[in-house]
Amino acid sequence: GAGVSQSPRYKVAKRGQDVALRCDPISGHVSLFWYQQALGQGPEFLTYFQNEAQLDKSGLPSDRFFAERPEGSVSTLKIQRTQQEDSAVYLCASSQSRDRGLGEQFFGPGTRLTVL
Amino acid sequence: ILNVEQSPQSLHVQEGDSTNFTCSFPSSNFYALHWYRWETAKSPEALFVMTLNGDEKKKGRISATLNTKEGYSYLYIKGSQPEDSATYLCAFSQGGYQKVTFGTGTKLQVIP
Repeated sequence: GAGVSQSPRYKVAKRGQDVALRCDPISGHVSLFWYQQALGQGPEFLTYFQNEAQLDKSGLPSDRFFAERPEGSVSTLKIQRTQQEDSAVYLCASSQSRDRGLGEQFFGPGTRLTVL
Repeated sequence: ILNVEQSPQSLHVQEGDSTNFTCSFPSSNFYALHWYRWETAKSPEALFVMTLNGDEKKKGRISATLNTKEGYSYLYIKGSQPEDSATYLCAFSQGGYQKVTFGTGTKLQVIP
């Protein structure tokens, strides 16, 4: 079946604009993760959902970042009043496992956000 | 903050050469260690997940070992091919919290 998809693939925003990034996980996958990857770094954890419940948002860098997964499938990561330091690739991953430390994660292609 | 370190940061090998690289992680309260391959313009894809000290996993020409007591894992590629060119990421989780922490990756380029 289809893999994880993300949209848009590329987003350019002016500083101060709000952006919304979408993730469509693999159908039936319980767990969903958001990561931020800055240039030259590994993916940094942002937040974790199990179905519609956001069980961990400890990685969100500020209260300008907000994520939701209202029906336990599609998820949206919203960034308000974007800053230049928000420029990064945002990766979404899903897993059929409820064990987030053990389950294999299937990644989307990422959204590259550039804030001017 | 968990430190997951990978070395080297990048390397170039000739086609046909074998190579290996390292992932180091905290040895306390180990839960699982993952390896992912990330080819340019594609999504990261899982290679292995390992949980037991002394674990060895193999997929084709790629294999991995795990030492949880000293906190390291090796990834080996035998007879490298150009299609092995990618960034190899390891990711570690501890018991209890179980959040997966990624290393910065080793970027491999295989020269034909």
